[in-house]
Amino acid sequence: EPEVTQTPSHQVTQMGQEVILRCVPISNHLYFYWYRQILGQKVEFLVSFYNNEISEKSEIFDDQFSVERPDGSNFTLKIRSTKLEDSAMYFCAVTGQENSGANVLTFGAGSRLTVL
Amino acid sequence: RKEVEQDPGPFNVPEGATVAFNCTYSNSASQSFFWYRQDCRKEPKLLMSVYSSGNEDGRFTAQLNRASQYISLLIRDSKLSDSATYLCVVNEGTALIFGKGTTLSVSS
Repeated sequence: EPEVTQTPSHQVTQMGQEVILRCVPISNHLYFYWYRQILGQKVEFLVSFYNNEISEKSEIFDDQFSVERPDGSNFTLKIRSTKLEDSAMYFCAVTGQENSGANVLTFGAGSRLTVL
Repeated sequence: RKEVEQDPGPFNVPEGATVAFNCTYSNSASQSFFWYRQDCRKEPKLLMSVYSSGNEDGRFTAQLNRASQYISLLIRDSKLSDSATYLCVVNEGTALIFGKGTTLSVSS
């Protein structure tokens, strides 16, 4: 069973629609992240989340993006009004299991978002 | 935000070759360094952490030069299965920042 499960694996949406991407880590982790990778480009940091609040965010993570962990299990990324340039692979990642000082990232398999 | 720079390649080598990748980072405050591997359309996976004294994991050797802000990865006796993109990763605060990656293609 993967350490991080992401759903959906692929979503196609119309420009202007809201999208929610979900991430479920299998065990207790301290930090949660969203990264994105536009096709052919580098993996870009969006946001880190610790203790139920945003720890850091990049300039990409503007007002159309939000994250939450409503039930202590699912970690979601919401894109409020999608744009064509939001088309990318979105990776959830976790690090820092309890009792561990490591900050090694473990990624989910990703959610591919296609905005038409 | 600070940058992580890598030669994009591609590096095309025969099986059994030794190949080296380099990476430079701009944030002198960075404390954590990694090499990740990414296969086409897959998620990045940790290859190895990079320690100040240098470290080896089988055919893979990583080196860190803090003074020059330079990280390297050496792959010995390349296998076909080593074909992938190798990502240099450096921390900035709690975030890990990725280089664009160096593509390796190993042929028989």
